[in-house]
Amino acid sequence: DQQVKQNSPSLSVQEGRISILNCDYTNSMFDYFLWYKKYPAEGPTFLISISSIKDKNEDGRFTVFLNKSAKHLSLHIVPSQPGDSAVYFCAARGGNSGNTPLVFGKGTRLSVIA
Amino acid sequence: GAVVSQHPSRVICKSGTSVKIECRSLDFQATTMFWYRQFPKQSLMLMATSNEGSKATYEQGVEKDKFLINHASLTLSTLTVTSAHPEDSSFYICSARDPLSNQPQHFGDGTRLSIL
Repeated sequence: DQQVKQNSPSLSVQEGRISILNCDYTNSMFDYFLWYKKYPAEGPTFLISISSIKDKNEDGRFTVFLNKSAKHLSLHIVPSQPGDSAVYFCAARGGNSGNTPLVFGKGTRLSVIA
Repeated sequence: GAVVSQHPSRVICKSGTSVKIECRSLDFQATTMFWYRQFPKQSLMLMATSNEGSKATYEQGVEKDKFLINHASLTLSTLTVTSAHPEDSSFYICSARDPLSNQPQHFGDGTRLSIL
């Protein structure tokens, strides 16, 4: 049973436009959410995170929005750049310990077209 | 630069071979490391939690005698796939977190295991 779902396996966006990647979760105990970016043959790289006490976190071109009532989060990238092309994984964890394992979605492959 | 180093990056071997994968934390000590496995077009699935100086905690459905985990030091955890078979072919990846920082888990670059 997937506790973290990324229902769009792929997304294509024109360079300069906004990319919106979506993620839904089912476990109400999750209180910390992360987005990782992954290039082929490399491990995931941390991008941005959000705690459940917030509804928005922004870092440069990347903004994560959290809607707890809908159990939904999204990652906005604006403006999108060709170098953003990668697989993006949504991850979640519950509990206060940073050593709690992460639960991942299946990922969304973003292609930014020049 | 990488804060978690994983080696080897790729292994191709015959069925029945045992394969050891190393995961090292660089510049920090990790009492806990995680081992994940990813099949094509699937999410990263947690296999086990590696605890320094004690037994690993395995997720349901993961055979502890098949996937041996040793976390003998604060900077090294190893995963040994014993008597590997073609169905064990997958992408194995480890992660660790510096407990003294607010940084999230960092991942190694993964090991692509192909059993012929």
